[in-house]
Amino acid sequence: AQSVTQLDSHVSVSEGTPVLLRCNYSSSYSPSLFWYVQHPNKGLQLLLKYTSAATLVKGINGFEAEFKKSETSFHLTKPSAHMSDAAEYFCVVSDPNAGKSTFGDGTTLTVKP
Amino acid sequence: GAGVSQSPRYKVAKRGQDVALRCDPISGHVSLFWYQQALGQGPEFLTYFQNEAQLDKSGLPSDRFFAERPEGSVSTLKIQRTQQEDSAVYLCASSLQGQETDTQYFGPGTRLTVL
Repeated sequence: AQSVTQLDSHVSVSEGTPVLLRCNYSSSYSPSLFWYVQHPNKGLQLLLKYTSAATLVKGINGFEAEFKKSETSFHLTKPSAHMSDAAEYFCVVSDPNAGKSTFGDGTTLTVKP
Repeated sequence: GAGVSQSPRYKVAKRGQDVALRCDPISGHVSLFWYQQALGQGPEFLTYFQNEAQLDKSGLPSDRFFAERPEGSVSTLKIQRTQQEDSAVYLCASSLQGQETDTQYFGPGTRLTVL
């Protein structure tokens, strides 16, 4: 069985300050991990993914995430928040049998001017 | 096509009615997924197709839910005798091969409201 826990349901930062969205996972296998972003009234969009290559993964719009097996974590970071980053973010673990992906409950990111 | 499309975007049904939700995946994508997203929650897996074969339907909440993809392209999710607890956004996604490393591309969703 696999699961994902997003440790913060809401995160608020000021524009220009760093962003940290936390994700812990549980998996019986060597997992594939993803971060997706969902803007209001728009579809889910892939930010980045980890697939057992480099543990530090760079994604779009300046986001990156680091896979830490010892901590079973895959936290999402960005050095400097922009107003357009305000959205819902989902951490996802994918089953190696390919069928099932498990989503976290999401973290709402608010960016204050 | 340019992306995954879903129709209708919004559906209001009276309790007890049947509904059908359509998904058009990206052309050439082998795998297709359906998810249910309740308000304030993350998407939850419903079912998965590889071509026309339904390989996993473990997430379907009851036998009132049925999905098909008869020609390995367009898929329909049907809900019979809708209940208020079926109100949610239904998301469709497709991926090139369906391997665990594949990116899933999501449609905009169908928001179902059952009165």
